[in-house]
Amino acid sequence: SQKIEQNSEALNIQEGKTATLTCNYTNYSPAYLQWYRQDPGRGPVFLLLIRENEKEKRKERLKVTFDTTLKQSLFHITASQPADSATYLCALDLYNQGGKLIFGQGTELSVKP
Amino acid sequence: ETGVTQSPTHLIKTRGQQVTLRCSSQSGHNTVSWYQQALGQGPQFIFQYYREEENGRGNFPPRFSGLQFPNYSSELNVNALELDDSALYLCASSPTLNTEAFFGQGTRLTVV
Repeated sequence: SQKIEQNSEALNIQEGKTATLTCNYTNYSPAYLQWYRQDPGRGPVFLLLIRENEKEKRKERLKVTFDTTLKQSLFHITASQPADSATYLCALDLYNQGGKLIFGQGTELSVKP
Repeated sequence: ETGVTQSPTHLIKTRGQQVTLRCSSQSGHNTVSWYQQALGQGPQFIFQYYREEENGRGNFPPRFSGLQFPNYSSELNVNALELDDSALYLCASSPTLNTEAFFGQGTRLTVV
């Protein structure tokens, strides 16, 4: 069956450390993979998009990797800050699906001062 | 701010009733998608409209229907509400297909 899974446990880290979040999928062939941030009671906010032929993408303190062989994406936040505390969602964007996004359940990140 | 606004922000309806949720997309965004998000879960795709035509549908029954209008606004209609329809409903627009999505703040629907 098709599945997309993120770290089920909440991630608690100390300010200044690197947070690494995992997104694994099975029986999908995504053209793109996207990462979003969601704060409580708000809509998701786009962070990064990586294409299937890209191994890595960076934006300021954020880095995403995409391994289509392992069917895994890793999302890193370096020099984390308490303001980075939120739920992070990965989403698959499939070929010929017109931009329908398939979301994981999200990982809650808490950065302590 | 994403430039996508949804109304109302909160709504309480009774089981069996009908509800219409509204979304105003960014100007120039031809694609609008609707998602349902239960508490503690990721958003689930309901359907997408591209240039006012339905362009894909998720695993939701026909009592979930939608419309997209030429002025970049759209609607999600749900008939015969059930308790399990209680969720955050999100609207997302994109300038074209297969690009980043801009989400609204959502409508929290509670069915009692």
